[in-house]
Amino acid sequence: DQQVKQNSPSLSVQEGRISILNCDYTNSMFDYFLWYKKYPAEGPTFLISISSIKDKNEDGRFTVFLNKSAKHLSLHIVPSQPGDSAVYFCAALGGFGNEKLTFGTGTRLTIIP
Amino acid sequence: DTGVSQDPRHKITKRGQNVTFRCDPISEHNRLYWYRQTLGQGPEFLTYFQNEAQLEKSRLLSDRFSAERPKGSFSTLEIQRTEQGDSAMYLCASSQLDTEAFFGQGTRLTVV
Repeated sequence: DQQVKQNSPSLSVQEGRISILNCDYTNSMFDYFLWYKKYPAEGPTFLISISSIKDKNEDGRFTVFLNKSAKHLSLHIVPSQPGDSAVYFCAALGGFGNEKLTFGTGTRLTIIP
Repeated sequence: DTGVSQDPRHKITKRGQNVTFRCDPISEHNRLYWYRQTLGQGPEFLTYFQNEAQLEKSRLLSDRFSAERPKGSFSTLEIQRTEQGDSAMYLCASSQLDTEAFFGQGTRLTVV
């Protein structure tokens, strides 16, 4: 039962353009969402998060949007840079007694120079 | 403090052998997590500690797996009688209460 889904395994975007990565979840108890970035042979690096009481959170080039009614969130990166090429994981947290992150399967983002 | 540290980075072992991994969390973090990641998947939760207490274990954690955090600081994850299906990246993360988790570089296990 995949509670966090990233339906696009890969995405290619031209340098300077906007990258949009999507994530859907099924568990309505999730109340905190995070995006992690992962380079090969390294652990995930925290990027940005959003609480369910908000619908948008911005940090520099990165913005996360949350649509609770649709159980959908997205990560926008603008402008995209070559160093953004990595695998991006969406993760969710929340629910009574649930202290663990539930991850999606990831989207490989490739920025084309 | 340079972040979460894991040792070793890579481990190749023969099937049936025991292996032990170590994780040193960020010093002020009271929560420590173990995850496992296989190719094409996101990290999957194995277990977590709050201080020295192991509060939750995934059903992925069979009897061959054991984790400890004896003094509420570093943690070890031991796999006994390794199987080829145990080959994966083992990730450790730490956090303070209600903050994002920070991951280590991981230990890549290959069972041959």
